[in-house]
Formats: sequence, C-alpha cells, structure tokens
Amino acid sequence: EDQVTQSPEALRLQEGESSSLNCSYTVSGLRGLFWYRQDPGKGPEFLFTLYSAGEEKEKERLKATLTKKESFLHITAPKPEDSATYLCAAPSGAGSYQLTFGKGTKLSVIP
Amino acid sequence: SQTIHQWPATLVQPVGSPLSLECTVEGTSNPNLYWYRQAAGRGLQLLFYSVGIGQISSEVPQNLSASRPQDRQFILSSKKLLLSDSGFYLCAWNRQGTEAFFGQGTRLTVV
Repeated sequence: EDQVTQSPEALRLQEGESSSLNCSYTVSGLRGLFWYRQDPGKGPEFLFTLYSAGEEKEKERLKATLTKKESFLHITAPKPEDSATYLCAAPSGAGSYQLTFGKGTKLSVIP
Repeated sequence: SQTIHQWPATLVQPVGSPLSLECTVEGTSNPNLYWYRQAAGRGLQLLFYSVGIGQISSEVPQNLSASRPQDRQFILSSKKLLLSDSGFYLCAWNRQGTEAFFGQGTRLTVV
C-alpha cells in the first residue's frame, strides 16, 4: 500500500532558527513528490514538485530536496509568517490519478 | 491562468438534510477533478475523482456522491447528511500525475 509519512507532527521554532521537515514515502515507482503549504481554514497552496533523487527546488526561505526514500523541506531563518501546516503528497494508484498525502507538519515560528 | 472556485465557504446543515457543494475550474480543459475531505489530525482523504464528464471514481463508501455534468464542473452531494459528514471539503484539479491545485474549501458542520 502506498504511504506518505511526515515528521514531526508539530514543530516550534524561534524566529531565525533553521530546521527541516521530513516526508518519507513508500510509493512504488515514484512519479513525483509535491509539497504544499496550508494556512488555517484555507486550501493547500502548491509549493514544489520534485521528480528525481538529487533534485532541489528553492523558494524564498524554503528548499525542498528528494532522495530515493524521502524528501526534506528545509526552512532557513524562518519568520512568523512561515507558520503553517506543510503537506507532502505523491501520485499513487493505477494511472497516477490519486494523490496520497501525509498528515502534515504544523510549523509554528515564534517571534 | 487557471483558477478554481469552490462554494460556499461555510455551511451549517441539520442532520438528514441534503447537500450540494459546487466546484468549477477556469482556464483549462479536460482537467482531472477531485473531492477531498480533511478532518483534524487525519490528513486529506480522497473521496471522489473524475477524469472526464460523467466519469466518477469513488474511493470511500459513504452516503456522499459526486457528479460531473460539465467538463469543468464537479459537484459533491448527499441526500441525507450524517453528523459524521462534518469536515473541511476541498476540491482540486490537476493533469495526470502532476501537482494538484486546490480551492479554498468548504467548512461543513452538520448539527
């Protein structure tokens, strides 16, 4: 069964304290790994797509990386506005029509 | 550019009442369309997806149904709501195997 597991469930950081979020997956024949940001009461906002091991994508203070078994979302010098839940997902099922999501990491950045 | 509209944003319905949530996509044709439900601490659960007009795949047995009467319109319905139907409902679209883009969600409370 395809699974996507995120850790930690919650993370509190001081403003400026860099850290990483983890997304491990057991999806046969990975066809992409997606990262999203979700603010309370809103739909997930797409951040990155990674397709192959060794690939990296950056956006402001965020950098996503991919290995053969997991992906990391690195947050450098976070600010309070980076507080949100971060979700990762991978296509699964026949035809890759389904997206299997992790449960997310709730990030809180304290001023 | 593509946009996705989902309404209403919030809804309070009594047990046993019907439900109709609507989602439309602009700026693209023949998208894959999805309905997800998000419950606290449980992540995103795929309910239905559609790869074309009139084509609906159901992932979770329940008293909900979906329909796609037009290429860019996706409707989530119920004849009689249960308390357990409460949650945050999200519509999304994508191309096969690529990242999905989400609407802003509908917070449904069944009382």
